[in-house]
Amino acid sequence: AQSVTQLGSHVSVSEGALVLLRCNYSSSVPPYLFWYVQYPNQGLQLLLKYTSAATLVKGINGFEAEFKKSETSFHLTKPSAHMSDAAEYFCAVRSLSGNQFYFGTGTSLTVIP
Amino acid sequence: NAGVTQTPKFQVLKTGQSMTLQCAQDMNHEYMSWYRQDPGMGLRLIHYSVGAGITDQGEVPNGYNVSRSTTEDFPLRLLSAAPSQTSVYFCASSYLRDSYEQYFGPGTRLTVT
Repeated sequence: AQSVTQLGSHVSVSEGALVLLRCNYSSSVPPYLFWYVQYPNQGLQLLLKYTSAATLVKGINGFEAEFKKSETSFHLTKPSAHMSDAAEYFCAVRSLSGNQFYFGTGTSLTVIP
Repeated sequence: NAGVTQTPKFQVLKTGQSMTLQCAQDMNHEYMSWYRQDPGMGLRLIHYSVGAGITDQGEVPNGYNVSRSTTEDFPLRLLSAAPSQTSVYFCASSYLRDSYEQYFGPGTRLTVT
């Protein structure tokens, strides 16, 4: 089965610093990949998605992610962290059949003023 | 357009009791799914449906039943609640095309004592 691995369950950055959240996937073919954000006591919201159209994907709130097939990675970045970015972030992959999604264990981002 | 709605928001059950978590969407999405979210484990797929009358199991289906009689509704039934089912449950929906971008409900926090 396909899966994703998120390295680092907790990441802390200073306000204004670079945000880098890591995600690696296991798949023999380029998959559909997603990053979701979850604010406290809320559901998940899509940040961005990779669907093979472009390797650098831009999302909402200034986030972007780069698909690197050679590294089987889809890391999420933001040049300058804002206090409002504090949340839980999940990487997810869609199964080849298209009917199942597999989520990573999540990375909790803390932004230090 | 309410998106994906879930009821109730909170529920406490005793071991052995049964209940139904409700999920509805008004976006005419063919695909609907149920996840449970547990600390350190991300989201895990319980059941999903690709249309009215069609359901299938996900990663963790044991102890749960679903049915899909209409496009809009996808209830999740706990047959005999167990403490291991204490979790936050999310319903999601999407179109069956493009990237399957999922829209999530706000969640139901269930405690089984």
